[in-house]
Amino acid sequence: DTGVSQDPRHKITKRGQNVTFRCDPISEHNRLYWYRQTLGQGPEFLTYFQNEAQLEKSRLLSDRFSAERPKGSFSTLEIQRTEQGDSAMYLCASNRQELEAFFGQGTRLTVV
Amino acid sequence: DQQVKQNSPSLSVQEGRISILNCDYTNSMFDYFLWYKKYPAEGPTFLISISSIKDKNEDGRFTVFLNKSAKHLSLHIVPSQPGDSAVYFCAASARGAGSYQLTFGKGTKLSVIP
Repeated sequence: DTGVSQDPRHKITKRGQNVTFRCDPISEHNRLYWYRQTLGQGPEFLTYFQNEAQLEKSRLLSDRFSAERPKGSFSTLEIQRTEQGDSAMYLCASNRQELEAFFGQGTRLTVV
Repeated sequence: DQQVKQNSPSLSVQEGRISILNCDYTNSMFDYFLWYKKYPAEGPTFLISISSIKDKNEDGRFTVFLNKSAKHLSLHIVPSQPGDSAVYFCAASARGAGSYQLTFGKGTKLSVIP
């Protein structure tokens, strides 16, 4: 399978706990993006990496959110001290140069 | 402030007819536009794109039209098939400004009736 892979697919956590999601982009895609989608809305941009460098960050990405792409391959998104408002679908996408972005199936986070 | 707007939350079309999905944008820096299709519990799937230097791009049953002066684009699906039933998102980016993030509309749910 050469698609964008996200793990886990679903995560239920208690408020205040930390969670970490992983994204494996398509091989040789140098650009990787994180988006968040809530019910009735389109995906909202969170952050973007070119190789291992984090080049763009949305104001939606509060101090509780951190993303890494240490070797320019897979990426992790961590949310600390989760809040109920963090419940959403977290989507990862990747592309190469000027090509269109391919999305993974997402991680559904529920904070209870 | 929504920079990409899809004003029709839903659209129903008979199988075989044309589906027209509309999208408006406000940011004049946007120069690259895409349409994605999304099924429940899946990530968005790329359909078709258009650069601001063009006014039309066609791929099989899908055609995207761009009217820069009106800041409006539309996706035409001809003929519509039941398998086209999904949520369609319009997205835009400002590549010329060095930004590769996509700004999405809220989506239009298309139902193709057999």
